[in-house]
Amino acid sequence: RKEVEQDPGPFNVPEGATVAFNCTYSNSASQSFFWYRQDCRKEPKLLMSVYSSGNEDGRFTAQLNRASQYISLLIRDSKLSDSATYLCVCPTGGGNKLTFGTGTQLKVEL
Amino acid sequence: EPEVTQTPSHQVTQMGQEVILRCVPISNHLYFYWYRQILGQKVEFLVSFYNNEISEKSEIFDDQFSVERPDGSNFTLKIRSTKLEDSAMYFCASSAGHLRETQYFGPGTRLLVL
Repeated sequence: RKEVEQDPGPFNVPEGATVAFNCTYSNSASQSFFWYRQDCRKEPKLLMSVYSSGNEDGRFTAQLNRASQYISLLIRDSKLSDSATYLCVCPTGGGNKLTFGTGTQLKVEL
Repeated sequence: EPEVTQTPSHQVTQMGQEVILRCVPISNHLYFYWYRQILGQKVEFLVSFYNNEISEKSEIFDDQFSVERPDGSNFTLKIRSTKLEDSAMYFCASSAGHLRETQYFGPGTRLLVL
């Protein structure tokens, strides 16, 4: 199994739709996880941290299932501005090294 | 809001030349990192740096690479003899601590090796 695995997409959804992204990870010792957002040719920016079973921030909900080694990100009422690549990220090694998934591309359309 | 800055934004160099990429981390952060992203591929960890020494490095970070914190503000990545395959976006990041601390990324330096 890859260290961090995501469906690359693209997910094309209409404005207002709910969309969910999945991510699996191989390092069972990982304690915390992150979702970063990356716009085209820009740097990754933190969207959400996930430490326990889940986290909610406005239209965004992240969930963690340690038994299945699975993290999800749910975006409700999607906006045009949500169009980006969403990166699933797990700290590995000594905890300093972030291991990124390949990212899932989201395109929100009118 | 404090942010990580990087210079230059773009660098074009000839194969075999040395390049130095510069970063100014967020001022009260103690941990510093370099990542790279080859066009169309995922972000890859290169090295982490704490207390003036490398704390972890990846297989990519071979003898051609070095990092330095020459003064209290700058953090640099040097590639001694660039190869075509070094062409990528190089991101600097910093964090206040490690483990659960968020890493904040700079805007990147796009390096093109000809």
